[in-house]
Amino acid sequence: GQNIDQPTEMTATEGAIVQINCTYQTSGFNGLFWYQQHAGEAPTFLSYNVLDGLEEKGRFSSFLSRSKGYSYLLLKELQMKDSASYLCAVLDSNYQLIWGAGTKLIIKP
Amino acid sequence: DGGITQSPKYLFRKEGQNVTLSCEQNLNHDAMYWYRQDPGQGLRLIYYSQIVNDFQKGDIAEGYSVSREKKESFPLTVTSAQKNPTAFYLCASTPPGSNSSPLHFGNGTRLTVT
Repeated sequence: GQNIDQPTEMTATEGAIVQINCTYQTSGFNGLFWYQQHAGEAPTFLSYNVLDGLEEKGRFSSFLSRSKGYSYLLLKELQMKDSASYLCAVLDSNYQLIWGAGTKLIIKP
Repeated sequence: DGGITQSPKYLFRKEGQNVTLSCEQNLNHDAMYWYRQDPGQGLRLIYYSQIVNDFQKGDIAEGYSVSREKKESFPLTVTSAQKNPTAFYLCASTPPGSNSSPLHFGNGTRLTVT
């Protein structure tokens, strides 16, 4: 079966750095997405990785290793507004999205 | 501003009643999707439509129905046959031209059935 694993919850301190991991086992791979979702709101797109390596976008970076079936989202200089759930999703060989359950990130002052 | 509008934000129904969730987009996107989100689970695809007057079942279509009479609109009906309808429902769309375009989501409708 297809599977995406993420930690259920993480806690970090304002101003610090946090890394949210995502491992996947899917039938084929056509890219990996990260979305941010504040409670009760719509998910918003953060990043898309299809090749190995690190993609940096301001305070957020996303890394992919296809051989290891692994990605992480790195958030730097954490702010209180970064408290949200972070969703990992993989496009399989049929271009269907497989979603992880999301990681709830709690930022403490 | 272009976007996806879902209404209402909160919806309450009695068991045994059908209910229709609205989804409208003015992004000129061809593809539209309905997802269900439950605590502790990933988003699950209910139905999707790549073009007007055509739609396909997703992973959990049983107890749901959709229509796509206009490009802008993709309403979802939760029927009385859906055994656990209480959930957060998200509508999304993608632009034409790429299978790897990110989804644009509406703000969701939280449905509670008692």
